[in-house]
Amino acid sequence: ETGVTQSPTHLIKTRGQQVTLRCSSQSGHNTVSWYQQALGQGPQFIFQYYREEENGRGNFPPRFSGLQFPNYSSELNVNALELDDSALYLCASSFSGRSEKLFFGSGTQLSVL
Amino acid sequence: EDQVTQSPEALRLQEGESSSLNCSYTVSGLRGLFWYRQDPGKGPEFLFTLYSAGEEKEKERLKATLTKKESFLHITAPKPEDSATYLCAASSSGGYQKVTFGTGTKLQVIP
Repeated sequence: ETGVTQSPTHLIKTRGQQVTLRCSSQSGHNTVSWYQQALGQGPQFIFQYYREEENGRGNFPPRFSGLQFPNYSSELNVNALELDDSALYLCASSFSGRSEKLFFGSGTQLSVL
Repeated sequence: EDQVTQSPEALRLQEGESSSLNCSYTVSGLRGLFWYRQDPGKGPEFLFTLYSAGEEKEKERLKATLTKKESFLHITAPKPEDSATYLCAASSSGGYQKVTFGTGTKLQVIP
Protein backbone atom coordinates (compact mmCIF):
# COMPACT_ATOMS: atom_id res chain seq x y z
CA GLU A 1 0.00 0.00 0.00
CA THR A 2 1.60 3.24 -1.13
CA GLY A 3 1.26 6.35 1.00
CA VAL A 4 0.61 9.95 0.00
CA THR A 5 3.44 11.38 -2.07
CA GLN A 6 4.03 15.04 -2.93
CA SER A 7 6.33 16.74 -5.37
CA PRO A 8 8.49 18.68 -5.41
CA THR A 9 9.76 18.60 -1.81
CA HIS A 10 11.18 22.12 -1.99
CA LEU A 11 10.56 25.03 -4.34
CA ILE A 12 11.81 28.59 -4.58
CA LYS A 13 9.83 31.17 -6.58
CA THR A 14 9.74 34.93 -6.90
CA ARG A 15 6.80 37.20 -6.20
CA GLY A 16 4.29 37.29 -9.04
CA GLN A 17 5.19 33.88 -10.44
CA GLN A 18 2.89 30.87 -10.65
CA VAL A 19 3.46 27.45 -9.08
CA THR A 20 1.98 23.96 -9.42
CA LEU A 21 2.29 21.39 -6.65
CA ARG A 22 1.42 17.72 -7.12
CA CYS A 23 0.02 14.99 -4.92
CA SER A 24 -0.61 11.28 -5.37
CA SER A 25 -3.20 10.02 -2.93
CA GLN A 26 -2.96 6.82 -0.95
CA SER A 27 -4.16 3.70 -2.76
CA GLY A 28 -7.93 3.32 -2.44
CA HIS A 29 -8.56 6.94 -1.40
CA ASN A 30 -10.86 9.13 -3.49
CA THR A 31 -10.68 12.43 -1.59
CA VAL A 32 -7.82 14.91 -1.49
CA SER A 33 -7.52 17.96 0.76
CA TRP A 34 -4.85 20.67 0.62
CA TYR A 35 -3.56 22.57 3.63
CA GLN A 36 -1.16 25.48 4.08
CA GLN A 37 1.07 25.41 7.16
CA ALA A 38 3.05 28.53 7.99
CA LEU A 39 6.04 28.22 10.31
CA GLY A 40 4.91 27.60 13.88
CA GLN A 41 1.23 27.37 12.93
CA GLY A 42 -1.25 24.59 12.44
CA PRO A 43 -2.38 23.51 8.97
CA GLN A 44 -5.00 25.80 7.38
CA PHE A 45 -7.60 24.21 5.10
CA ILE A 46 -7.40 25.41 1.49
CA PHE A 47 -9.87 23.14 -0.32
CA GLN A 48 -10.99 19.57 -0.82
CA TYR A 49 -11.63 17.52 -3.97
CA TYR A 50 -13.96 14.53 -4.11
CA ARG A 51 -14.53 12.61 -7.32
CA GLU A 52 -12.78 15.30 -9.36
CA GLU A 53 -14.89 18.18 -8.05
CA GLU A 54 -14.15 20.83 -5.43
CA ASN A 55 -16.62 20.23 -2.61
CA GLY A 56 -15.28 22.54 0.10
CA ARG A 57 -13.06 25.59 0.37
CA GLY A 58 -11.42 27.55 3.19
CA ASN A 59 -10.67 31.27 3.36
CA PHE A 60 -8.22 31.42 0.48
CA PRO A 61 -8.46 33.73 -2.55
CA PRO A 62 -9.32 32.46 -6.06
CA ARG A 63 -5.66 32.56 -7.11
CA PHE A 64 -5.45 29.27 -5.19
CA SER A 65 -6.98 26.64 -7.46
CA GLY A 66 -6.82 22.92 -7.88
CA LEU A 67 -7.60 19.84 -9.89
CA GLN A 68 -8.26 16.20 -9.16
CA PHE A 69 -7.66 13.61 -11.85
CA PRO A 70 -9.49 10.33 -12.57
CA ASN A 71 -6.77 8.40 -10.71
CA TYR A 72 -7.48 10.68 -7.69
CA SER A 73 -4.13 12.43 -7.85
CA SER A 74 -4.31 16.20 -7.47
CA GLU A 75 -2.66 19.51 -8.23
CA LEU A 76 -2.59 22.78 -6.33
CA ASN A 77 -1.99 25.88 -8.42
CA VAL A 78 -1.14 29.27 -6.98
CA ASN A 79 -1.05 32.32 -9.26
CA ALA A 80 0.51 35.72 -8.64
CA LEU A 81 2.62 34.49 -5.72
CA GLU A 82 2.96 36.74 -2.70
CA LEU A 83 5.62 36.69 0.02
CA ASP A 84 3.02 35.44 2.53
CA ASP A 85 2.47 32.34 0.41
CA SER A 86 5.76 30.99 1.76
CA ALA A 87 4.76 27.90 3.73
CA LEU A 88 4.63 24.13 3.85
CA TYR A 89 1.84 22.87 1.60
CA LEU A 90 0.35 19.59 2.72
CA CYS A 91 -1.78 17.19 0.79
CA ALA A 92 -4.02 14.75 2.67
CA SER A 93 -6.04 11.89 1.28
CA SER A 94 -8.98 9.99 2.74
CA PHE A 95 -11.45 7.32 1.71
CA SER A 96 -14.61 9.31 1.11
CA GLY A 97 -15.75 12.90 0.96
CA ARG A 98 -16.96 12.76 4.54
CA SER A 99 -14.27 10.61 6.13
CA GLU A 100 -12.33 12.45 8.79
CA LYS A 101 -9.17 10.39 9.13
CA LEU A 102 -6.55 12.12 7.03
CA PHE A 103 -3.35 10.63 5.67
CA PHE A 104 -0.78 13.35 4.99
CA GLY A 105 2.14 13.55 2.63
CA SER A 106 5.44 15.09 3.72
CA GLY A 107 4.59 18.37 2.05
CA THR A 108 6.15 20.84 -0.35
CA GLN A 109 8.14 23.67 1.23
CA LEU A 110 7.51 26.77 -0.89
CA SER A 111 9.66 29.86 -0.49
CA VAL A 112 8.61 33.06 -2.25
CA LEU A 113 11.34 35.69 -2.58
CA GLU B 1 -16.36 30.24 12.93
CA ASP B 2 -14.80 27.00 14.14
CA GLN B 3 -11.90 27.45 16.53
CA VAL B 4 -9.35 25.10 18.12
CA THR B 5 -6.92 26.34 20.79
CA GLN B 6 -4.04 24.34 22.19
CA SER B 7 -1.95 24.87 25.32
CA PRO B 8 0.79 25.08 26.22
CA GLU B 9 2.59 26.17 23.05
CA ALA B 10 5.71 24.33 24.18
CA LEU B 11 6.44 21.79 26.89
CA ARG B 12 9.75 20.47 28.11
CA LEU B 13 9.70 17.28 30.17
CA GLN B 14 12.29 15.04 31.74
CA GLU B 15 12.15 11.45 30.58
CA GLY B 16 9.54 9.66 32.73
CA GLU B 17 7.80 12.89 33.79
CA SER B 18 4.10 12.55 32.92
CA SER B 19 2.00 15.50 31.76
CA SER B 20 -1.06 16.55 29.74
CA LEU B 21 -1.67 18.67 26.67
CA ASN B 22 -4.88 20.64 26.38
CA CYS B 23 -7.13 21.33 23.41
CA SER B 24 -10.24 23.48 23.69
CA TYR B 25 -12.62 23.68 20.76
CA THR B 26 -15.60 25.66 19.53
CA VAL B 27 -17.20 24.11 16.46
CA SER B 28 -20.69 23.97 15.05
CA GLY B 29 -21.74 20.36 15.36
CA LEU B 30 -18.64 18.37 16.31
CA ARG B 31 -18.26 15.28 14.19
CA GLY B 32 -14.87 14.22 15.51
CA LEU B 33 -11.87 15.43 17.54
CA PHE B 34 -8.46 14.30 16.29
CA TRP B 35 -4.92 14.17 17.55
CA TYR B 36 -1.96 14.10 15.17
CA ARG B 37 1.76 13.95 15.73
CA GLN B 38 4.08 15.98 13.49
CA ASP B 39 7.83 15.52 13.30
CA PRO B 40 10.03 18.28 11.82
CA GLY B 41 9.90 18.38 8.03
CA LYS B 42 7.10 15.82 7.84
CA GLY B 43 3.34 15.79 7.49
CA PRO B 44 1.06 15.11 10.47
CA GLU B 45 0.60 11.47 11.47
CA PHE B 46 -2.81 10.34 12.73
CA LEU B 47 -3.01 9.23 16.38
CA PHE B 48 -6.64 9.21 17.59
CA THR B 49 -10.22 10.12 16.76
CA LEU B 50 -12.76 10.83 19.54
CA TYR B 51 -16.44 11.22 18.75
CA SER B 52 -18.35 11.85 21.97
CA ALA B 53 -17.82 13.27 25.45
CA GLY B 54 -16.46 10.68 27.86
CA GLU B 55 -14.67 8.72 25.18
CA GLU B 56 -11.06 7.68 25.79
CA LYS B 57 -8.45 6.06 23.54
CA GLU B 58 -4.96 4.81 24.29
CA LYS B 59 -1.86 4.00 22.31
CA GLU B 60 1.36 3.08 24.07
CA ARG B 61 2.21 6.00 26.40
CA LEU B 62 -0.53 8.26 25.01
CA LYS B 63 -4.14 8.55 26.17
CA ALA B 64 -6.68 10.93 24.66
CA THR B 65 -9.88 12.01 26.41
CA LEU B 66 -12.81 14.19 25.36
CA THR B 67 -15.29 16.45 27.15
CA LYS B 68 -17.94 18.72 25.64
CA LYS B 69 -15.48 21.60 25.37
CA GLU B 70 -11.99 20.15 25.68
CA SER B 71 -9.74 17.26 24.86
CA PHE B 72 -6.62 16.17 26.69
CA LEU B 73 -3.65 14.18 25.51
CA HIS B 74 -2.04 12.51 28.51
CA ILE B 75 1.56 11.36 28.13
CA THR B 76 2.66 8.80 30.70
CA ALA B 77 6.38 8.27 31.40
CA PRO B 78 7.46 9.89 28.10
CA LYS B 79 10.62 8.92 26.25
CA PRO B 80 12.85 11.14 24.06
CA GLU B 81 11.28 9.58 20.94
CA ASP B 82 7.95 11.13 21.96
CA SER B 83 9.42 14.56 21.18
CA ALA B 84 7.31 16.12 18.41
CA THR B 85 4.58 18.68 17.82
CA TYR B 86 1.14 17.39 18.77
CA LEU B 87 -1.76 18.83 16.78
CA CYS B 88 -5.40 18.80 17.79
CA ALA B 89 -8.09 19.13 15.11
CA ALA B 90 -11.88 19.21 15.01
CA SER B 91 -14.24 18.22 12.24
CA SER B 92 -17.59 20.02 12.05
CA SER B 93 -20.85 19.00 10.44
CA GLY B 94 -21.39 19.94 6.85
CA GLY B 95 -21.43 18.59 3.34
CA TYR B 96 -17.68 18.12 3.18
CA GLN B 97 -14.79 17.22 5.41
CA LYS B 98 -14.02 20.50 7.14
CA VAL B 99 -11.21 20.02 9.63
CA THR B 100 -9.87 22.89 11.76
CA PHE B 101 -6.43 22.50 13.33
CA GLY B 102 -4.94 24.11 16.41
CA THR B 103 -1.44 25.59 16.38
CA GLY B 104 0.04 22.61 18.20
CA THR B 105 2.07 21.88 21.32
CA LYS B 106 5.78 21.34 20.77
CA LEU B 107 6.91 18.64 23.17
CA GLN B 108 10.55 18.07 24.05
CA VAL B 109 11.48 15.09 26.25
CA ILE B 110 14.95 15.29 27.73
CA PRO B 111 16.89 12.12 28.61
